[in-house]
Amino acid sequence: DVKVTQSSRYLVKRTGEKVFLECVQDMDHENMFWYRQDPGLGLRLIYFSYDVKMKEKGDIPEGYSVSREKKERFSLILESASTNQTSMYLCASRGTSGSYEQYFGPGTRLTVT
Amino acid sequence: RKEVEQDPGPFNVPEGATVAFNCTYSNSASQSFFWYRQDCRKEPKLLMSVYSSGNEDGRFTAQLNRASQYISLLIRDSKLSDSATYLCVVNRNDYKLSFGAGTTVTVRA
Repeated sequence: DVKVTQSSRYLVKRTGEKVFLECVQDMDHENMFWYRQDPGLGLRLIYFSYDVKMKEKGDIPEGYSVSREKKERFSLILESASTNQTSMYLCASRGTSGSYEQYFGPGTRLTVT
Repeated sequence: RKEVEQDPGPFNVPEGATVAFNCTYSNSASQSFFWYRQDCRKEPKLLMSVYSSGNEDGRFTAQLNRASQYISLLIRDSKLSDSATYLCVVNRNDYKLSFGAGTTVTVRA
């Protein structure tokens, strides 16, 4: 079974703090993704990585950066957290053969106060 | 215009009923289509891929209408465990997927 884990289920941070969200997958997948999910808006892609040290902006990259130093780990960084970044953050991974199916981690509910 | 639009529901149905709902997508070049299921406070999981000819997986039937750019999901003989949010998903290119906001289904005893 594919397993994608995220470092925290719940996180509370203050405005202006630097926030690190970590994601680890154990299936040797090349592609990894960070999404945020907000009510009524669906999942929106923040950044993705198609290989180690490679990254590309998604649809809403402003205020975020990412790091992928190892194949199994993909980190999302909020340089200076703001209240409008309060959301559910979901990490996903996908192999490059076969279907487009993405496997998701359990999510991190981030609250910025 | 959103890339994928869904009726948010909720669809509230009794056990044993049939429930069906659609989603529409805007990118006519999309090639792959999926339904994901998301339980409350859980991550999305693939329910089924949707093929041009339509496909069935047990009590679930998915249909694709390319001409009208919509995808449907039908659930027969609903179970309490079918209560979830169903996400319509369409690929944009090799890496990116577009997700609808989801249709909530509640099956009551």
